[in-house]
Amino acid sequence: EAQVTQNPRYLITVTGKKLTVTCSQNMNHEYMSWYRQDPGLGLRQIYYSMNVEVTDKGDVPEGYKVSRKEKRNFPLILESPSPNQTSLYFCASRHMRGLSYEQYFGPGTRLTVT
Amino acid sequence: AQSVSQHNHHVILSEAASLELGCNYSYGGTVNLFWYVQYPGQHLQLLLKYFSGDPLVKGIKGFEAEFIKSKFSFNLRKPSVQWSDTAEYFCAVGSNYQLIWGAGTKLIIKP
Repeated sequence: EAQVTQNPRYLITVTGKKLTVTCSQNMNHEYMSWYRQDPGLGLRQIYYSMNVEVTDKGDVPEGYKVSRKEKRNFPLILESPSPNQTSLYFCASRHMRGLSYEQYFGPGTRLTVT
Repeated sequence: AQSVSQHNHHVILSEAASLELGCNYSYGGTVNLFWYVQYPGQHLQLLLKYFSGDPLVKGIKGFEAEFIKSKFSFNLRKPSVQWSDTAEYFCAVGSNYQLIWGAGTKLIIKP
């Protein structure tokens, strides 16, 4: 089954404790992206990657890091989480070729930073 | 600056009522337009998309949207809503590399 998986689905942590949210897709998609969703603000892009070893900042990259060492994986790293990073995070992927812009989303990770 | 505006943050309708959710955008160049839906507790799913051609686009579950270039709009419509349409709806506009998202509209359908 074609899907985007994220782990963990729920995470409660404390300020300053480094964490990683994993994202994996099994569709051989070139493009992967991380979003955060906050009430009244919709989705805001954190980082995106157009292929292995190619990443770029989205609209709200501060406080986040990413890496793309393999095509299927695109982990999101919070080196020193702060309460303002409490949010719902979505990973998404899609092909870069042609006009197939539909993004497939993961189930989301609800992060709480206290 | 590029932006997407969804005017209604919350909409409450009764079953069988007609629905229209507004989406206006400010974006340079060729636009690709999308509506996504997020049912309670689920991830986002594509409802419909417009790239070119017929400006009236049909999507899943009886939804449609009309691209009006002169008004920079891509409004979502459904003639008769059902309780199961309760969800949050997002309009997105973009290019090959990035999508700009609206803030979303929460739709509640009263049985």
